[in-house]
Amino acid sequence: KAGVTQTPRYLIKTRGQQVTLSCSPISGHRSVSWYQQTPGQGLQFLFEYFSETQRNKGNFPGRFSGRQFSNSRSEMNVSTLELGDSALYLCASALRSAAGNTIYFGEGSWLTVV
Amino acid sequence: TQLLEQSPQFLSIQEGENLTVYCNSSSVFSSLQWYRQEPGEGPVLLVTVVTGGEVKKLKRLTFQFGDARKDSSLHITAAQTGDTGLYLCAGGGYGGATNKLIFGTGTLLAVQP
Repeated sequence: KAGVTQTPRYLIKTRGQQVTLSCSPISGHRSVSWYQQTPGQGLQFLFEYFSETQRNKGNFPGRFSGRQFSNSRSEMNVSTLELGDSALYLCASALRSAAGNTIYFGEGSWLTVV
Repeated sequence: TQLLEQSPQFLSIQEGENLTVYCNSSSVFSSLQWYRQEPGEGPVLLVTVVTGGEVKKLKRLTFQFGDARKDSSLHITAAQTGDTGLYLCAGGGYGGATNKLIFGTGTLLAVQP
């Protein structure tokens, strides 16, 4: 079956702009999480959604937001982009929201802020 | 703050050698996952361990979850060039029903031919 699909794969934005990234989870998966990966900080949790509700939020400023739709697809938005927001943004999906769940990652969206 | 420390940070070995990567924390995790990530790609799940003391084998890879569920190890036997990549451990399930993962610092493995 198809894996987690993220779009766009690569994008370049200017400081101060905003960006929206999209994620389609594996069919049937209702849990979607987002992560930011940078060389300096590694992989850091952004937020988790389950059945359109935000379940958890990481330690990121309010410029980072997300949502999940009724078909489980998710989007994340970063407003007022800063140079430090340049990173690989990863989406992950899982069947349920439970401990020990198997979590699958997409290939990510590479964001460069100039 | 939960932290997962991986060691070593970098590892360069010859094809055919054995290696072990460690993942340690002061926190208890209800599950631990190991991923391999190649440049420009997302992490690919290798294994999930959920029971303290559990050992799982996948061909040349052996994964162990510590008895106290605070640490884990990944052992690769007879490494191949295709094993090259970033290995990440990730602890999950802390605090209840959540898919939030706490990722380790990563181990970059290079297997030379």
